[in-house]
Amino acid sequence: KNQVEQSPQSLIILEGKNCTLQCNYTVSPFSNLRWYKQDTGRGPVSLTIMTFSENTKSNGRYTATLDADTKQSSLHITASQLSDSASYICVVSSSSGGSYIPTFGRGTSLIVHP
Amino acid sequence: DAGVIQSPRHEVTEMGQEVTLRCKPISGHDYLFWYRQTMMRGLELLIYFNNNVLIDDSGMPEDRFSAKMPNASFSTLKIQPSEPRDSAVYFCASSLGRISYNEQFFGPGTRLTVL
Repeated sequence: KNQVEQSPQSLIILEGKNCTLQCNYTVSPFSNLRWYKQDTGRGPVSLTIMTFSENTKSNGRYTATLDADTKQSSLHITASQLSDSASYICVVSSSSGGSYIPTFGRGTSLIVHP
Repeated sequence: DAGVIQSPRHEVTEMGQEVTLRCKPISGHDYLFWYRQTMMRGLELLIYFNNNVLIDDSGMPEDRFSAKMPNASFSTLKIQPSEPRDSAVYFCASSLGRISYNEQFFGPGTRLTVL
């Protein structure tokens, strides 16, 4: 059964500090891995997408890494801001016969305090 | 573009009633998805369409759930009869081409409460 596990479940940090969120997956066949940011009361917004051949991808202060061998991904947030307070969701997609098969993690809830 | 539009934003109904959620995708997008999000299960893909044609409804939990896409600018998700365990936030999303890779744009969601 395909699974995506995220850790920690929740995290509280001070503004300006860095943090790293983890995503471990058992999804086969692997197509890609995407990180979403979801603000309270809103829909998810894509931060990055990574394919099998990509190790690192950045989007401003967000940097995602992917280790396809160990089936792990991380999302690093640099110099956190209050607006980073949100839920971060890891989604691993599988593709079979052209279909779309996403497996979602439960998310990490990040709170940034001033 | 205004993004994906969903209505209503909030819906409170009683068990046994019919509920209809509505979605207007981003103009020009050819894929439309319906998701459900709960605290217990997180996000789940329910069903998706390509060019108004149903592609996969394997995520629909029960026969009480149905979805239609009569044209490129409108889709509905219907629950009949509704039950308290259907309480969740329902998201509609749309994307253009290369399903699974190209970014999906989510609407603001409909928070459904079934009493």
